[in-house]
Amino acid sequence: EDQVTQSPEALRLQEGESSSLNCSYTVSGLRGLFWYRQDPGKGPEFLFTLYSAGEEKEKERLKATLTKKESFLHITAPKPEDSATYLCAVQALKAAGNKLTFGGGTRVLVKP
Amino acid sequence: DAEITQSPRHKITETGRQVTLACHQTWNHNNMFWYRQDLGHGLRLIHYSYGVQDTNKGEVSDGYSVSRSNTEDLPLTLESAASSQTSVYFCASSRGAGATYEQYFGPGTRLTVT
Repeated sequence: EDQVTQSPEALRLQEGESSSLNCSYTVSGLRGLFWYRQDPGKGPEFLFTLYSAGEEKEKERLKATLTKKESFLHITAPKPEDSATYLCAVQALKAAGNKLTFGGGTRVLVKP
Repeated sequence: DAEITQSPRHKITETGRQVTLACHQTWNHNNMFWYRQDLGHGLRLIHYSYGVQDTNKGEVSDGYSVSRSNTEDLPLTLESAASSQTSVYFCASSRGAGATYEQYFGPGTRLTVT
């Protein structure tokens, strides 16, 4: 069974204080790993897809990396507008269609 | 711009009633999905569809049904609402199977069963 575990559950940062979120996964062959951002009262918003170990993707202050067992979302010099819940999800090679398995998310609060 | 919409955004219903949540996408995506999101469980897949007339059960499908009569819509029906079905429901869509495509999510429907 595919499993995704995210840590920490919550993270409080001062503006400008860089940090990393962890996503550990077990999957029977990885087709892709996805990062989403979710604001309160809204649906998840797609950020990145990573396909293979060693791959990195960047978007503004966010950088996602992937190893064979985990992914990290690095937030560099965060701003208050980066406050959100960040979700990680995996898609297995054998997953029917585009089925995703999600982790529980990390709630990030950036204080000015 | 293409989008995915859900209605209603909030719904309060009584135990035992039938409820239908609407999902409409203008991406022209073949794949559509329904998830529920609960504290402590994250997003869990209820049902999904690869195209018109195709529906499949997800990990938490008991008490729910879907039908796909066109590309744009995938309504979710709770046959007899139960308090355990109080949750936030998200619809999502993606391009066809056979590749790694991201899913795009709607704004969600908050359902309360009293």
